[in-house]
Amino acid sequence: NAGVTQTPKFRILKIGQSMTLQCTQDMNHNYMYWYRQDPGMGLKLIYYSVGAGITDKGEVPNGYNVSRSTTEDFPLRLELAAPSQTSVYFCASRYGGNTDTQYFGPGTRLTVL
Amino acid sequence: DAKTTQPPSMDCAEGRAANLPCNHSTISGNEYVYWYRQIHSQGPQYIIHGLKNNETNEMASLIITEDRKSSTLILPHATLRDTAVYYCIVSNDYKLSFGAGTTVTVRA
Repeated sequence: NAGVTQTPKFRILKIGQSMTLQCTQDMNHNYMYWYRQDPGMGLKLIYYSVGAGITDKGEVPNGYNVSRSTTEDFPLRLELAAPSQTSVYFCASRYGGNTDTQYFGPGTRLTVL
Repeated sequence: DAKTTQPPSMDCAEGRAANLPCNHSTISGNEYVYWYRQIHSQGPQYIIHGLKNNETNEMASLIITEDRKSSTLILPHATLRDTAVYYCIVSNDYKLSFGAGTTVTVRA
């Protein structure tokens, strides 16, 4: 299993541009998550999904959108990129249940200039 | 979810045990204690979790006080590769809330 994969690894955007961060997991996990991590800080939850077709907001959803059309994929869309969205973005997944382990991807480092 | 308090940083000598404290005085009865770590900006990695009893796995031991208001993660023989940020999290559902964690530096 490849686990959780994210693309791209790095990206530089100009203010106002848009992009989609890709996340795929091959573990047949029901739950998927998007986090952002600013320098020196912990991770903050942006959006999450408990299954295909179901998404919900986390702590910091403004400026982002998600969709979950398949179990495997959970893309994160940035519309009208702003410098405040400069961060490292992590995708994660877990099978289900309160005590299941969350598995994280390697992250996407995004800079908005 | 209950909040946790961890020291911002600590040093440990290679080969010695590292004891990482965490306070979670407002923990509720059905909340688990989880520990994750993040090595050099990689994605966080699960270490261990527990509810009431002490737990041990191949990576670490978790000691939870009887009143469940605090816990300690023990890395029994720290190596240089254990240098990382360690996060203590309490949760009773499928969402985890990460604080700033403890930066652990293992020194040779």
